[in-house]
Amino acid sequence: GAVVSQHPSRVICKSGTSVKIECRSLDFQATTMFWYRQFPKQSLMLMATSNEGSKATYEQGVEKDKFLINHASLTLSTLTVTSAHPEDSSFYICSASHRDRAFGTQYFGPGTRLLVL
Amino acid sequence: GENVEQHPSTLSVQEGDSAVIKCTYSDSASNYFPWYKQELGKGPQLIIDIRSNVGEKKDQRIAVTLNKTAKHFSLHITETQPEDSAVYFCAASIEAGNMLTFGGGTRLMVKP
Repeated sequence: GAVVSQHPSRVICKSGTSVKIECRSLDFQATTMFWYRQFPKQSLMLMATSNEGSKATYEQGVEKDKFLINHASLTLSTLTVTSAHPEDSSFYICSASHRDRAFGTQYFGPGTRLLVL
Repeated sequence: GENVEQHPSTLSVQEGDSAVIKCTYSDSASNYFPWYKQELGKGPQLIIDIRSNVGEKKDQRIAVTLNKTAKHFSLHITETQPEDSAVYFCAASIEAGNMLTFGGGTRLMVKP
């Protein structure tokens, strides 16, 4: 159990376009989902925390108007990179916390590799 | 806020040897310490975790120790195998399911 999926797994887009990434908890309800960004050979950097039905909380330095997060249900959160530029190219990973705290921890998705040309 | 430091950044061992990765954290309020394994191009996978009311936890070839007084915790992998080669991340949070602060990662290479 505790499977998190992401779609798409990789995407290539032109500069100036918007890209939407979906994160789904497949077999559990997630009250909280997290979005991370990871550059090559670096650690995961938290971008934002998303709670179902409320606005996301963004980390310092992350532009909320550029990285739009929607958490419309207990199993789905989306990250939209608006007006993408080459510097937005990165590996984006989501994670989800089980609604039942007894299960604990965060379960990570497989990641989405974004390349902006 | 929390700050997690991880050492070494790279570790090369011979198959069958043991590997030890160490992390220190700064926030005494942290109570949950997971370890993740990340293979190339994939998301992190939880391999073991420990809570602050426990000093040691073991799962087959993997063990984690926690010294809450000194604010450090370690991952021990025994009888390493080539498939253990990956990047390992430690993390800390106030409780499981809450925001995680990650260490910088350790690239483990197990040579056959």
